[in-house]
Amino acid sequence: KAGVTQTPRYLIKTRGQQVTLSCSPISGHRSVSWYQQTPGQGLQFLFEYFSETQRNKGNFPGRFSGRQFSNSRSEMNVSTLELGDSALYLCASSWQGAGTDTQYFGPGTRLTVL
Amino acid sequence: GENVEQHPSTLSVQEGDSAVIKCTYSDSASNYFPWYKQELGKGPQLIIDIRSNVGEKKDQRIAVTLNKTAKHFSLHITETQPEDSAVYFCAARGANTGNQFYFGTGTSLTVIP
Repeated sequence: KAGVTQTPRYLIKTRGQQVTLSCSPISGHRSVSWYQQTPGQGLQFLFEYFSETQRNKGNFPGRFSGRQFSNSRSEMNVSTLELGDSALYLCASSWQGAGTDTQYFGPGTRLTVL
Repeated sequence: GENVEQHPSTLSVQEGDSAVIKCTYSDSASNYFPWYKQELGKGPQLIIDIRSNVGEKKDQRIAVTLNKTAKHFSLHITETQPEDSAVYFCAARGANTGNQFYFGTGTSLTVIP
């Protein structure tokens, strides 16, 4: 069974731009969670989507948004990029949801904001 | 919300020795505690997990112990090998915070051949 895939793997953007990242969960998994990983803050939870609905949200500004499609694939969008948004963005999928089952991570998208 | 602390931040051991990484959590209602290994350029990989109704779990050279009273859990790696070198993260699933996961800050383990 294929693992969690994320595209693109690397992105370079400039301040003020917006970016969209994509995540395809493990087949059959209906929950997708997104995390931001930085050296200073570690892994921080952004949001979770389950059956196309945002089920949980972390403490990030409204510039960070996401959505999930009927095939469980998910996208996250960051608008008006800031230098501090440079990070590794990870998505994780689970079968029933982060509250009820194990999460499996993708390789991440490395975002650099110049 | 939940707060997870992880120690040490870096750990060096000789090949063949044991490594222990400790985490504490604040939410007594947390009920699921996974451990992840992250190698350079890769996403975190689940290596072992434990639920709150179990005190210890072992998988070959890796074991995890949970002390619910003291609210801490530990990862034990025995007979370490160079390929064990990576960053290890503990996590706790908060039960009173929408069931989201909270991660420790990571331990960089180096196994010296």
